[in-house]
Amino acid sequence: DAMVIQNPRYQVTQFGKPVTLSCSQTLNHNVMYWYQQKSSQAPKLLFHYYDKDFNNEADTPDNFQSRRPNTSFCFLDIRSPGLGDAAMYLCATSREGDGYSPLHFGNGTRLTVT
Amino acid sequence: DAKTTQPNSMESNEEEPVHLPCNHSTISGTDYIHWYRQLPSQGPEYVIHGLTSNVNNRMASLAIAEDRKSSTLILHRATLRDAAVYYCILRPRRSYNTDKLIFGTGTRLQVFP
Repeated sequence: DAMVIQNPRYQVTQFGKPVTLSCSQTLNHNVMYWYQQKSSQAPKLLFHYYDKDFNNEADTPDNFQSRRPNTSFCFLDIRSPGLGDAAMYLCATSREGDGYSPLHFGNGTRLTVT
Repeated sequence: DAKTTQPNSMESNEEEPVHLPCNHSTISGTDYIHWYRQLPSQGPEYVIHGLTSNVNNRMASLAIAEDRKSSTLILHRATLRDAAVYYCILRPRRSYNTDKLIFGTGTRLQVFP
């Protein structure tokens, strides 16, 4: 009964080769987030959607894009992955964008760049 | 953005209570205090959250200081499965398109048998 599902769990891509990570949710939550987590570091917010409204963090590289075609799905596109983009990518949802709504995380996709 | 500070690591023995502190001296009156934990190779997991009053649920208790500048996550009887990184995070009460959930460095809890 997984509620936030990330596929694949492990992804290997080549330097400069575009890659897409996917996230789906069965919670019907309005807000979806993408985080990047490098080894031994805290998750870092890349961007989030409130419904269809996209919100990019100021320091998220242009190399990272996102799409949310419907409530259930959200994609993270890395246009030209570099070695520094190797990380765990976490998707999360929340019912609303307010402080009362907890976040629900998927188990992440670990991206390796060769 | 309001920031939180936590000890880098803490240790506990199994079946003992654990008190994980968090300082958030720049908290605003409308920020909720959230706690999440992350087990190895998993995404963060929601533990508990509160605004002003202490909170209890099946996983833990949250004690919030009267001035709200600090809080403590209480695990009443630590188990080996509680070994994780615990994050204390502030989440604005109403912040639609500017919604954020910024993680601090967290506390790595080790539990010994």
